[in-house]
Amino acid sequence: GDSVTQMEGPVTLSEEAFLTINCTYTATGYPSLFWYVQYPGEGLQLLLKATKADDKGSNKGFEATYRKETTSFHLEKGSVQVSDSAVYFCALGNQFYFGTGTSLTVIP
Amino acid sequence: ETGVTQTPRHLVMGMTNKKSLKCEQHLGHNAMYWYKQSAKKPLELMFVYSLEERVENNSVPSRFSPECPNSSHLFLHLHTLQPEDSALYLCASSQGGNRANEQFFGPGTRLTVL
Repeated sequence: GDSVTQMEGPVTLSEEAFLTINCTYTATGYPSLFWYVQYPGEGLQLLLKATKADDKGSNKGFEATYRKETTSFHLEKGSVQVSDSAVYFCALGNQFYFGTGTSLTVIP
Repeated sequence: ETGVTQTPRHLVMGMTNKKSLKCEQHLGHNAMYWYKQSAKKPLELMFVYSLEERVENNSVPSRFSPECPNSSHLFLHLHTLQPEDSALYLCASSQGGNRANEQFFGPGTRLTVL
């Protein structure tokens, strides 16, 4: 069946470090792919999305590219800030499958 | 109020209690969802309502009973819960039940079952 696998956290980085959070998926067809972010005490909110292979989603300095050949949608940011501390979820659009979430803490 | 609101934000209940969670969306959407968020587990889709009709029910125990009286309101009625039902319950909405559309989430209700 369809599924999403995210790297386990927690991830702790120093400010201005490079971030990668891995996400791979299994799906029939070519669903849209999403990254959602959950800040403490809040619900999830959309960070970025890609609707077809080779699309790159980007927002707030974060990027992810829809890779059909590796069935991946890794999240990257070149220089993280303390305000990026949150839980990040990878999701498949066709059946609302979400990953387990990866907690990121950025320290000054 | 804007976006998706949920009440209460925190709820503690015994296994014999009956309570309800409420969700309201102010976005003009016509699809609403209940999710269960437990630590170290994927977000679990529980119910989907589109145009006030339940279109998905993912093998959720009958002690959880959803209700969608109109496109802006969604309830989750709880009765005779178990301690393993303790979790964060998230409500979301979207425009249409199209699974490629972005969902907007509420802040959740933190439920503790004693």
